Amino acid sequence: ETGVTQTPRHLVMGMTNKKSLKCEQHLGHNAMYWYKQSAKKPLELMFVYNFKEQTENNSVPSRFSPECPNSSHLFLHLHTLQPEDSALYLCASSQDTSAHTDTQYFGPGTRLTVL
Amino acid sequence: AQSVTQPDIHITVSEGASLELRCNYSYGATPYLFWYVQSPGQGLQLLLKYFSGDTLVQGIKGFEAEFKRSQSSFNLRKPSVHWSDAAEYFCAVGPNPGGTSYGKLTFGQGTILTVHP
Repeated sequence: ETGVTQTPRHLVMGMTNKKSLKCEQHLGHNAMYWYKQSAKKPLELMFVYNFKEQTENNSVPSRFSPECPNSSHLFLHLHTLQPEDSALYLCASSQDTSAHTDTQYFGPGTRLTVL
Repeated sequence: AQSVTQPDIHITVSEGASLELRCNYSYGATPYLFWYVQSPGQGLQLLLKYFSGDTLVQGIKGFEAEFKRSQSSFNLRKPSVHWSDAAEYFCAVGPNPGGTSYGKLTFGQGTILTVHP
């Protein structure tokens, strides 16, 4: 595997379910990101981790809980979601958020549908 | 606060025609600028980026973009469009090192490109 991978690619869940999204990067990067992409809205940054430390939480509801056990893996734990949380969730990675020319590389996304 | 505007929601061109996608940004200092492309059901692929130096930047797939500070613009161009270029294109601005917003890319709304045969 190369680049940034995400699993599952599609997920349908009820509002009372608990599920997790997984992201893995094979680029040797130290920073990882979660974005939410909803229809007709700009891409929204949710969380940023740099060297496993969370450096950004963009006012995300607590029903979304990120976890970054190491620089290669990032999870997004979901519980008691709402239908409006249905979206494409994109993971990205970059070398280091403090690097001079840091560039983010994206995974293919997980299409989440909340019923 | 930084912001990005892509004025055109949807553009249609014929295959072989030239293309220009507009991007205007608002940022207090010299920005880092990016163009990404997203095919249906896929993630974002980096086309090109501008950090400093030559204001005309070459990217992958024959794309280029020009940074114009006076116009706060970073328009994407391609001289001859191929059917495979049909996708959604996103302009993004990121903070310059030394700021306090590392990792915070701000994206535009996106421009959907349709290519007619």
